[in-house]
Amino acid sequence: TQLLEQSPQFLSIQEGENLTVYCNSSSVFSSLQWYRQEPGEGPVLLVTVVTGGEVKKLKRLTFQFGDARKDSSLHITAAQPGDTGLYLCAGATSSNTGKLIFGQGTTLQVKP
Amino acid sequence: DAGITQSPRYKITETGRQVTLMCHQTWSHSYMFWYRQDLGHGLRLIYYSAAADITDKGEVPDGYVVSRSKTENFPLTLESATRSQTSVYFCASSERVGILNYGYTFGSGTRLTVV
Repeated sequence: TQLLEQSPQFLSIQEGENLTVYCNSSSVFSSLQWYRQEPGEGPVLLVTVVTGGEVKKLKRLTFQFGDARKDSSLHITAAQPGDTGLYLCAGATSSNTGKLIFGQGTTLQVKP
Repeated sequence: DAGITQSPRYKITETGRQVTLMCHQTWSHSYMFWYRQDLGHGLRLIYYSAAADITDKGEVPDGYVVSRSKTENFPLTLESATRSQTSVYFCASSERVGILNYGYTFGSGTRLTVV
């Protein structure tokens, strides 16, 4: 069974701090995605990374795909209360099923 | 606005009753998925569909039935609801070209309580 492990599970920080969330697996993924979910809503896609070593930036969020395509990280610079939410990583396998494997999620709370 | 719509948003049902959760998407995406989200378990795949009339089991299919007679609709039926099926259910759709998965678009979820 392919698993994606996220760490940490919970993170509570003050506004302005930096943080990194990790997503690790022993499996290789053809692509990896990050989603953010707010209470009472479905997850919303933030980014897709495809190439090993790829780095993508979305304002204060930086996403990196590991060279071996087994892991990824999300770094937030100068976190704001609006960044609060559940962050999920999800990996696509190369088996052409269209399915994604989701990590358990990281709950981030940014206090003003 | 086009999108993916789930109904109802909230549902309370009794143990043993049949209940159907609806999912409708307006993009004509090929793939559709049903997930349940529970504390401590994350998102778990119940069933998915690659196209109309093609469905397959996910990680936790027992007690659920799906159908997909039209591309845009993917209803999920709990044949005889149990308390363990109390959860938040999400429908999602996606398009895919080659090996590149363009990501899922999720509905807003149905919060189901079985009493």
